[in-house]
Amino acid sequence: DIQMTQSPSSLSASVGDRVTITCRASQSIRKFLNWYQQKPGKAPKLLIYAASNLQGGVSSRFSGRGSGTDFSLTISSLQPEDFATYYCQQSYSSPTFGPGTKVDIK
Amino acid sequence: EVQLLESGGGLLQPGGSLRLSCAASGFTFSSYAMNWVRQAPGKGLEWVSTISASGGQTFYAESVKGRFTISRDNSKNTLYLQMNSLRAEDTAVYYCAKYAVAADLEYFDYWGQGTLVSVSS
Repeated sequence: DIQMTQSPSSLSASVGDRVTITCRASQSIRKFLNWYQQKPGKAPKLLIYAASNLQGGVSSRFSGRGSGTDFSLTISSLQPEDFATYYCQQSYSSPTFGPGTKVDIK
Repeated sequence: EVQLLESGGGLLQPGGSLRLSCAASGFTFSSYAMNWVRQAPGKGLEWVSTISASGGQTFYAESVKGRFTISRDNSKNTLYLQMNSLRAEDTAVYYCAKYAVAADLEYFDYWGQGTLVSVSS
């Protein structure tokens, strides 16, 4: 299985901050990397697919980049509704998720 | 509007069996592969199983292979997960998730609200 890691595991930030979360795959997954947001007690929500494609209806303050083994998710200006846990997921082979990055309020 | 509604969760003892259902609406169910993804309490997400649009192909995580069976009834727009020989480590919220496929890309574009399965003696 392809292992996914994320850093940091958690971060504290303020409204308006620029936040970047990184995700690394244990082998090249080309562009087959997706990002999800999950709020407590809710189902995950797709944000970004294929590394950099914004899902319809998702705010343009979210962006993704990367290829191969290294990827990132950036929130350009953190909003109150963005405090959540973010997961990366590879779809190059049998799906695996990163351990998550919890973004909370500083 | 795409809707996925899971049901069938509950509390049961180790070694028991349970069948989860996911009722789908708002899209052409028979055209899309479907998945089960689970999340243990306070933990991350774990893919469990995938079934092709026709039901002819199924895939499983190693942790459930031989114990769980995914199936679908396209006439009823319903996805199932038969869970046998349950273990404490199967305790989780189980989500039904639709697969979006564009070219060779695959991602979970819609998720249900989840159903809780608790395995404890």
